[in-house]
Amino acid sequence: EVQLVESGGGLVEPGGSLRLSCATSGFFFSTSEMTWVRQAPGRGLEWVSYISTSGDTTYYADSVKGRFAISRDNANNSLDLQMNSLRAEDTALYYCVRDVSGVLDSWGQGVLVTVSS
Amino acid sequence: DIQMTQSPSTLSASVGDRVTITCRASESIDTWLAWYQQKPGKAPKFLIYKASSLGSGVPSRFSGSGSGTEFTLTISSLQPDDFATYYCQQYSSYWTFGQGTKVEIK
Repeated sequence: EVQLVESGGGLVEPGGSLRLSCATSGFFFSTSEMTWVRQAPGRGLEWVSYISTSGDTTYYADSVKGRFAISRDNANNSLDLQMNSLRAEDTALYYCVRDVSGVLDSWGQGVLVTVSS
Repeated sequence: DIQMTQSPSTLSASVGDRVTITCRASESIDTWLAWYQQKPGKAPKFLIYKASSLGSGVPSRFSGSGSGTEFTLTISSLQPDDFATYYCQQYSSYWTFGQGTKVEIK
């Protein structure tokens, strides 16, 4: 069974940093593309970032470019999202998602990030 | 950037109704479109890929159609478990979601 478990969320002040992690199991992580998707409270889904199987290729939404960095550890089947210079508008539930050629077929339960003073 | 627009935003329906949700892309995305279902407090669940191909285990009452810029998700006979919010998503150029369509009980 595919499992994706996010951690690392919490309350952070504007301008602060947070690192999200996603522990995976039940599938071949090293051959799977991965993405992060977020959902602000009461709002829709927003794609945040993508990483290729090797980690050589990454993409970011314009809203987070230059502030967030996605990375992966294929030896430990884990995915990370380093979030810097956080803003109130980054407050959201962040989902770790397996990406199969663009289709987001397996989702974690999400981790909440709240940016507030 | 490709924009995705869903209609309606909210849809009131009864069990057994045929329900159709429309998704429009700001430019042609061929058939690079997926649909997801999300229930309150839960992660989205993948339903359909390549506009019309059903994901594994998805009930056959769900179907998708369209190509280019106009797409539809149809539920042939609405079941109690289907009351949820539905999102379309393009993957022709990066990833963009529609704003969602909430299917509520009439």
